[in-house]
Amino acid sequence: AQTVTQSQPEMSVQEAETVTLSCTYDTSESDYYLFWYKQPPSRQMILVIRQEAYKQQNATENRFSVNFQKAAKSFSLKISDSQLGDAAMYFCAYRASNFGNEKLTFGTGTRLTIIP
Amino acid sequence: DAGVIQSPRHEVTEMGQEVTLRCKPISGHNSLFWYRQTMMRGLELLIYFNNNVPIDDSGMPEDRFSAKMPNASFSTLKIQPSEPRDSAVYFCASSLSGTYPSYEQYFGPGTRLTVT
Repeated sequence: AQTVTQSQPEMSVQEAETVTLSCTYDTSESDYYLFWYKQPPSRQMILVIRQEAYKQQNATENRFSVNFQKAAKSFSLKISDSQLGDAAMYFCAYRASNFGNEKLTFGTGTRLTIIP
Repeated sequence: DAGVIQSPRHEVTEMGQEVTLRCKPISGHNSLFWYRQTMMRGLELLIYFNNNVPIDDSGMPEDRFSAKMPNASFSTLKIQPSEPRDSAVYFCASSLSGTYPSYEQYFGPGTRLTVT
């Protein structure tokens, strides 16, 4: 079974600085998808960024980027120019690529605090 | 688009009572997912449907839980009888499987269930 591990329960960063959240996963599949979701206090799950395993290029979305290391099964999220609105729980998630196996497997989350 | 709609947003009930959670997926989406979020177990898939057919119900805790999807625009998750350990936030998500990017799941706002 696939597992996702987030080893940092809490992180904090000064406003406007850069922070990196860690995620590792375990799978025997060669093709899959990885995601970072943000959950603010409103509890809404918001997709931040996605990465297809077959793509070598790391995904970027504005201030958010990932460092995808397939061989190491590592998928970290970098947030640049941190803003107060970035404060939230961040979840790393894995999904297999084949039909019939579409469930998301989540890590335990990292609570990010932004220091003004 | 209205997004995924869940009702009720909050539910407080007494142990032993029946609870029904409702979900309306995004129009045109053909996959629907029920997740549960607790402090102890994090976010976990309960069941998911594709074209109204249950594909994976391995996460359904026990016979007290049942889920239905009578048509493409409506799903229910029922707990009968409810127990205090069922207290959690229940999320519904939907996606459009079979197309690119079929892997993106859109989450509803969640239902916070408290069983006393």
